[in-house]
Order: sequence, then C-alpha cells, then structure tokens
Amino acid sequence: GAGVSQSPRYKVTKRGQDVALRCDPISGHVSLYWYRQALGQGPEFLTYFNYEAQQDKSGLPNDRFSAERPEGSISTLTIQRTEQRDSAMYRCASSSPGLAGFTGELFFGEGSRLTVL
Amino acid sequence: TQLLEQSPQFLSIQEGENLTVYCNSSSVFSSLQWYRQEPGEGPVLLVTVVTGGEVKKLKRLTFQFGDARKDSSLHITAAQPGDTGLYLCAGARKTSYDKVIFGPGTSLSVIP
Repeated sequence: GAGVSQSPRYKVTKRGQDVALRCDPISGHVSLYWYRQALGQGPEFLTYFNYEAQQDKSGLPNDRFSAERPEGSISTLTIQRTEQRDSAMYRCASSSPGLAGFTGELFFGEGSRLTVL
Repeated sequence: TQLLEQSPQFLSIQEGENLTVYCNSSSVFSSLQWYRQEPGEGPVLLVTVVTGGEVKKLKRLTFQFGDARKDSSLHITAAQPGDTGLYLCAGARKTSYDKVIFGPGTSLSVIP
C-alpha cells in the first residue's frame, strides 16, 4: 500500500525479552518519527530521523531504547530487556518538508501495540 | 514538563453547539498543526498554520495562530456527531523545524 506500515500490529512479550518494532514509511518521505501513545493521550515524542541520520533522540526514555534507519527508509525501534512500564502503543509517522520548508504533514501508521507481561 | 498544553482536556456537548479548544505554550513555534484522531486510528492532519495571527477555515472549523506564535485555537461551529474525536495540536520550533511535538489532546464528544 501507499501508507505507513508498521509491524507487528500486536506484540505480547515477557519481561526481560527484547523486542523490535518495524516501520516502513511512505516512499520518498525524508523524515521518520517514533512516538509512544497512551490511550486518550497525545503522542509522546521519542526520536526522529531525516534520511538515515537520527536528528534527535531526547525522547527515548532510557538506554534500553534505540532506533535506527540505516538506509534512510525502513526504521526499527528496539527495546531491550522489556519492562511492564514499556507497554504502550508505539506509532511511527513519516513526512516530507512542507511549503517554504515548514513542517509537512505527518502520516501515521496504524501502530504497534506492545504488551509486556 | 509539557511543552504544549491543551484545554479543556474533555468536552461533551450537544449536536449543534459551538465550541473552542485551546493550545498554549510558553515557547515560540515556527508552525503549528492540528490533528484529529479517531479511536483505533492514527492522527490525521486538519491544518497547518505558520504566520502569527493567521486564521484558516475548513468548513465549520476555524483555526487561529496567536500573534506571538505561542498559542492557537480551534473553533467548531454547529458541532456534529462526526466531529467526535481526540483533537491534538502539534508544534515545531524554529530551531528544529521538523521536530514535531504533540500536546496532550482534547477529547471531544458530540451527543446527537
């Protein structure tokens, strides 16, 4: 499809396991974002990339979280040694620059629902 | 510290009523966006405002960007049940125009 694709849609894991969440952005989109969203709340910024370069990772909660986008397209968010507090919806979005360089429209994927038991 | 604040947090109104939701910050933004999110879906863009004082209209929705580019409002005229959803403001600061952060959202319920 032409939209942002995330996998897996649902992931149930045991505490202490590592998980990898994948995001396939809209073809040609420069920027790729990762957010975490609690039910009924706004998306919480985690990190973002322009092409393959990670521009800002200040929102990653701790060093168990990492992200990469090695070829400037698909991105992976990895959580090591998962904890119950990591349970959440993880959303990916992609965009291209808007007019005159202002922020373009963010297109969101359907999200990956992570449950840590 | 929440960079963007939204109010009210929850709003329940009757069909046909008017309403305004607010997005405020102590920081200056180069642009501000409004998104609507329905249950089970990702946020979808409604509008982007970039100029202080700018007003944009989208059918029954009117968006305004504050003169100092620190706040914004969304006004809905004659609300309909289809307007129900989570309304999110999102801003990008001048120093990092493509780092987009979201406010906590206003959950709107329009009762038929």
